[in-house]
Amino acid sequence: DVKVTQSSRYLVKRTGEKVFLECVQDMDHENMFWYRQDPGLGLRLIYFSYDVKMKEKGDIPEGYSVSREKKERFSLILESASTNQTSMYLCASSFAASPYNSPLHFGNGTRLTVT
Amino acid sequence: QKEVEQNSGPLSVPEGAIASLNCTYSDRGSQSFFWYRQYSGKSPELIMFIYSNGDKEDGRFTAQLNKASQYVSLLIRDSQPSDSATYLCAVNQGAQKLVFGQGTRLTINP
Repeated sequence: DVKVTQSSRYLVKRTGEKVFLECVQDMDHENMFWYRQDPGLGLRLIYFSYDVKMKEKGDIPEGYSVSREKKERFSLILESASTNQTSMYLCASSFAASPYNSPLHFGNGTRLTVT
Repeated sequence: QKEVEQNSGPLSVPEGAIASLNCTYSDRGSQSFFWYRQYSGKSPELIMFIYSNGDKEDGRFTAQLNKASQYVSLLIRDSQPSDSATYLCAVNQGAQKLVFGQGTRLTINP
């Protein structure tokens, strides 16, 4: 069974802090993703990575960066947290299938509050 | 026009009836379609995926895809209270990305 583990379930940070959200998957998936989920806005893609040290911007990358030094680990970094980054953050992974996409497997989520 | 559209609901269905959830998408090149279920406070979990036109059945769930109409639906037969959740439709955008609809909140009434 695929396991995607996010390091924290709940986080409270102050405005201006640098925040690290960590995600680890154990299924040797090539692709890893970071989404945020907000009421009324659904799931929005922040960044994704299809290989080690590779990254692609999603739909809302502003204020975020990512790091993928190892295949199993994908980190989301908030360089200077702001209150509008208060949200549920979801990490996901998938195989690099072709021609059809393989399903995403999600972690349990990190609920981040920035005060 | 949003890339993936769902009626946000809430959709209320009596127990034992068929729940029908709908999703339209804008990219004619999309080939991969997914339905996820999300309980309140939990992360999305995959229910079904479909790649070809027509129907795909898995237990009480049936996914239906019509690429000409750019329409994908999920039918839940013999609805149970445990089916009460938000259902997310996801469609591929290019080789690796999925785009999600806002989700439809479904309530099954005993």
